[in-house]
Amino acid sequence: ETGVTQSPTHLIKTRGQQVTLRCSSQSGHNTVSWYQQALGQGPQFIFQYYREEENGRGNFPPRFSGLQFPNYSSELNVNALELDDSALYLCASSLALWDPNTEAFFGQGTRLTVV
Amino acid sequence: DAKTTQPPSMDCAEGRAANLPCNHSTISGNEYVYWYRQIHSQGPQYIIHGLKNNETNEMASLIITEDRKSSTLILPHATLRDTAVYYCIVPPYDKVIFGPGTSLSVIP
Repeated sequence: ETGVTQSPTHLIKTRGQQVTLRCSSQSGHNTVSWYQQALGQGPQFIFQYYREEENGRGNFPPRFSGLQFPNYSSELNVNALELDDSALYLCASSLALWDPNTEAFFGQGTRLTVV
Repeated sequence: DAKTTQPPSMDCAEGRAANLPCNHSTISGNEYVYWYRQIHSQGPQYIIHGLKNNETNEMASLIITEDRKSSTLILPHATLRDTAVYYCIVPPYDKVIFGPGTSLSVIP
């Protein structure tokens, strides 16, 4: 158990719909990162939040957006869902953005299926 | 961003040491080397990290070459539960890039 929890664990949505995924970071962690993992591939970085501000973004379109709240929990929102958005979405939290000597802990992910 | 290269797959006999190599020739002086593993359909699990000295914890040992251009993760007595994809990562400050990793199969 890492202390990072994600909800829901599984989700089925229809193409064109919108989805919100949630992540509760480990206690004391102020940095949250989101990843998309398609079947058979490594996780792909979506974006990172540090103290409620986006800090770094991967190669994902603007319909992927996020929020971080004062308690450092976070949401990932995806609008206009496409079939290729079907993937495992992972959240990772870490203690301090600028400290390279700190590991990130991952949640178990949300499996999103778009039909 | 520092890039890493790993063999796509490896086999290891149960009970033997598993040695997983990683090349990170563009690593800079203050970048740590991290190892994570991912068991099928679960979230990645942190294993170990290091800067320039060898590191050991309850899960594994990490050997980093003196020039820091490569490292080896050692699982001293591999079990079937160690079958997973192992990722070697050199994270910059703002994001963590995962490569394809090494798929380790521990064979009975």
